Amino acid sequence: AQTVTQSQPEMSVQEAETVTLSCTYDTSENNYYLFWYKQPPSRQMILVIRQEAYKQQNATENRFSVNFQKAAKSFSLKISDSQLGDTAMYFCALFPYNTDKLIFGTGTRLQVFP
Amino acid sequence: NAGVTQTPKFRILKIGQSMTLQCTQDMNHNYMYWYRQDPGMGLKLIYYSVGAGITDKGEVPNGYNVSRSTTEDFPLRLELAAPSQTSVYFCASSYGTVETQYFGPGTRLLVL
Repeated sequence: AQTVTQSQPEMSVQEAETVTLSCTYDTSENNYYLFWYKQPPSRQMILVIRQEAYKQQNATENRFSVNFQKAAKSFSLKISDSQLGDTAMYFCALFPYNTDKLIFGTGTRLQVFP
Repeated sequence: NAGVTQTPKFRILKIGQSMTLQCTQDMNHNYMYWYRQDPGMGLKLIYYSVGAGITDKGEVPNGYNVSRSTTEDFPLRLELAAPSQTSVYFCASSYGTVETQYFGPGTRLLVL
C-alpha cells in the first residue's frame, strides 16, 4: 500500500521564524514525485513545492525548501522567515509513476503568530 | 487564463436529490481529477480522466458518476445524495500524468 503520513496535526511559529513540517511516505515504487500543497482558509489548494525522487538535490522555492531523504522515505518542508500569509493547512502528497493518482496525507495546520 | 473553475461554490441538497458539480479548465490539460475532502482529512480521489472520452475510478467512486465529452469539462454527478456525501469537492487538472496538478477553488456540499 502507498501511504503518506503527517504526524503533526498542528504547528505554530512566530512571524520571521523558521518552521519545519514533517512528512513520511511509503511506496514500493522507485520513481515518484512528492509535493507540498498549501490550503489557506479560502480552501483552494496551492502548489508550494515539488520534488522528483530521482533528483538528489533538495528542491527550493524562495522561502520554502525541502529535506528529501529517499532511503528514510522522509520529505519535510522548511519555511524560512515565516509570514502571516503562510497560515494554512499544508498537505504532503505522493505521486508514484505507475499510477495516475495523487496520495495525500492528512495535513498539518500551521498558524503564524505576529 | 482562469485556470480551473468550479460551480457552484456552495450547495445544500436534501437526501435523495441529485446534482451535477461543474468543472472547467482552460489550460488544455489532458488529465482531470475529482477529489473530496472531509473535515480534518486529506483529499481522496473520486474519479479521474486521462483525456476526452476516458474516465476511471479512484479511491472512493461509489455514489458518483463522471463524463468527459470535451477536454475542458469534467462534470461530477451525484445520484441519490446521502449525508455521507457532505464534503468539499475539488476538481484538478494536469498536463501529464506526473505533472503538477492545478486545483479549483472547491465546492462545499451539505446533504441534509
